[in-house]
Amino acid sequence: KNQVEQSPQSLIILEGKNCTLQCNYTVSPFSNLRWYKQDTGRGPVSLTIMTFSENTKSNGRYTATLDADTKQSSLHITASQLSDSASYICVVSVRGNNRLAFGKGNQVVVIP
Amino acid sequence: GAGVSQSPSNKVTEKGKDVELRCDPISGHTALYWYRQSLGQGLEFLIYFQGNSAPDKSGLPSDRFSAERTGGSVSTLTIQRTQQEDSAVYLCASSLVIASGGPYNEQFFGPGTRLTVL
Repeated sequence: KNQVEQSPQSLIILEGKNCTLQCNYTVSPFSNLRWYKQDTGRGPVSLTIMTFSENTKSNGRYTATLDADTKQSSLHITASQLSDSASYICVVSVRGNNRLAFGKGNQVVVIP
Repeated sequence: GAGVSQSPSNKVTEKGKDVELRCDPISGHTALYWYRQSLGQGLEFLIYFQGNSAPDKSGLPSDRFSAERTGGSVSTLTIQRTQQEDSAVYLCASSLVIASGGPYNEQFFGPGTRLTVL
């Protein structure tokens, strides 16, 4: 079973609308969680990073939340733009380990 | 350049041929990682380097896969006797250090090499 589960797998939203992507993880001990954005044909680019003590982090129209107790994170996209069409990958870092656990991504398509 | 670069960007090869994929990390980054991303799948860890050493090769799917890094910089991933199931995007990433769980281990990704085995 994947240690990082993301939902929904894919979604289509109208330009200008908001959406929320979910990430649940079982990784332990937890160190930090990152959300990456991966445009088609490109490598992933980091959007936010949150450590255990942080429960929200914003980067422009992207706001990530973290509940380390329930091991859940979300990424909220406000006023979506066509350029937000991408895969959003949740990545969890294990404390004391050099490995990262990757989710399969949320595929977002923004339509005009 | 300022980012991680990979070459070639696309590679089409025949089954049974060997291929070499190249990664140029960000200058000064001591850690380098290789991942494989198949269609509709998450990133699959292959191997990482700390300097020129590869402490963790456990992600390599078979002995047809090997990687090396020289001068603490450029890395090559070699796939021998390619199979159709090797078709995927191979991503390279580098980070400043391997700091367990710290923010300094943020990985910066290259654009990937799309490998197609016919």
